[in-house]
Order: sequence, then structure tokens, then C-alpha cells
Amino acid sequence: NAGVTQTPKFQVLKTGQSMTLQCAQDMNHEYMSWYRQDPGMGLRLIHYSVGAGITDQGEVPNGYNVSRSTTEDFPLRLLSAAPSQTSVYFCASSFLRVYGYTFGSGTRLTVV
Amino acid sequence: RKEVEQDPGPFNVPEGATVAFNCTYSNSASQSFFWYRQDCRKEPKLLMSVYSSGNEDGRFTAQLNRASQYISLLIRDSKLSDSATYLCVVNGFTGGGNKLTFGTGTQLKVEL
Repeated sequence: NAGVTQTPKFQVLKTGQSMTLQCAQDMNHEYMSWYRQDPGMGLRLIHYSVGAGITDQGEVPNGYNVSRSTTEDFPLRLLSAAPSQTSVYFCASSFLRVYGYTFGSGTRLTVV
Repeated sequence: RKEVEQDPGPFNVPEGATVAFNCTYSNSASQSFFWYRQDCRKEPKLLMSVYSSGNEDGRFTAQLNRASQYISLLIRDSKLSDSATYLCVVNGFTGGGNKLTFGTGTQLKVEL
């Protein structure tokens, strides 16, 4: 049981490049979310999904897209990377609303 | 006002001490509450859920006061391994989603 798996662990992008952060979970969780964590800001919700085919925006969605074609996968796409998107990105999943989330180990992204 | 507020610390305590962290939240409609632990450069991990009646897990006790919109975490007999950042988390169930709002965390350092 791998839990929540994120790839890559580290990435450096140039301004304007696009990329996809991968997230997969093997716990059959319906709820999945993407967060970014910046110093002094706490974790902020980017996008979330309540099931396959259903996604919605969080607190800071601009510059990011998501899709949820299967229960297991929830990729996050950066459309045109900007230095302001330098951050640590966490994917998380949960079985039910009242349960806490299980987090992946994170992707450290630097945009230069 | 931040949705979830915590004292950032750091709290420096000797091994064996009892330490308490507090957290306030602004959304009176919040429905579930958690404490997470985050080690340096790692993902957040669920420490415990917080129930209205209060709950205990070994050396850790969590309390919720809905009237005052206040959550607390008490750690007894602190260990060196308890050194971490403790995140207060509130679930507002906004728009059908599982919207967790994180505090910025309280740093604990347990010393010999």
C-alpha cells in the first residue's frame, strides 16, 4: 500500500515552461486536493476533486489546471510557469469528508 | 483576519515538560477539526482529529470549544522526537468539497 505518490520530487523550470505534477493514490479515496506551501503562508488549496470527473477551484487556482479521469490520479498542470509558482506542492487524498487527508511527500518546484 | 490563527512560536521546552498550543478559527460553520504534525521539509501527517467532547491519544490531548471557536493541543511528557511544527486544520465543507484550511503552524523544539 503506497498511499499517495507524487512525482517528481524536485523540478527546476524556466519561466514560461509548462509541466505536469503527477499524483496517484491507491487507497480508493474519493477526495483529492492540491496544496502549495510557502514560508509564512501555510498550506493553500489550489484545486480539489470530490470524485472522478469532478473538480473545482480552491483558494489560489490561477495558473494551474487539473483533471480527474480516474479515482486514482489527479495531475496538476502548470500552464506557463512563473517565478511566483516557486513552492512546495503537496497532493492529498481522503476517504470521507470528516476524515483528515493523507499527504504525498511533495514536489519542490523552482521557477527561474 | 486569518481563517485559522496560531501562535508561530517557537516553543522551546525541556524534555518531559507539558506544552499546550492554541488555535482560533473564524468560520463558525466549520464542521471538523484536526491537528497535523509536519517535520522539516516533510509532508504534513495527521496527528489526531478533534472532537467536541475532547479526545486523548497517549500523551496528546485535543480540545474543541465551538462557542469560542478555539482548539487546543496538549502534549504531556515531551520527547525530543516531538520537535516539529504543529498545524491546526479546520474543514469547512465549502460547496460540497472537502476544503481544509490550515493554520501557519506552531513550532515546537524539545531540548535535553
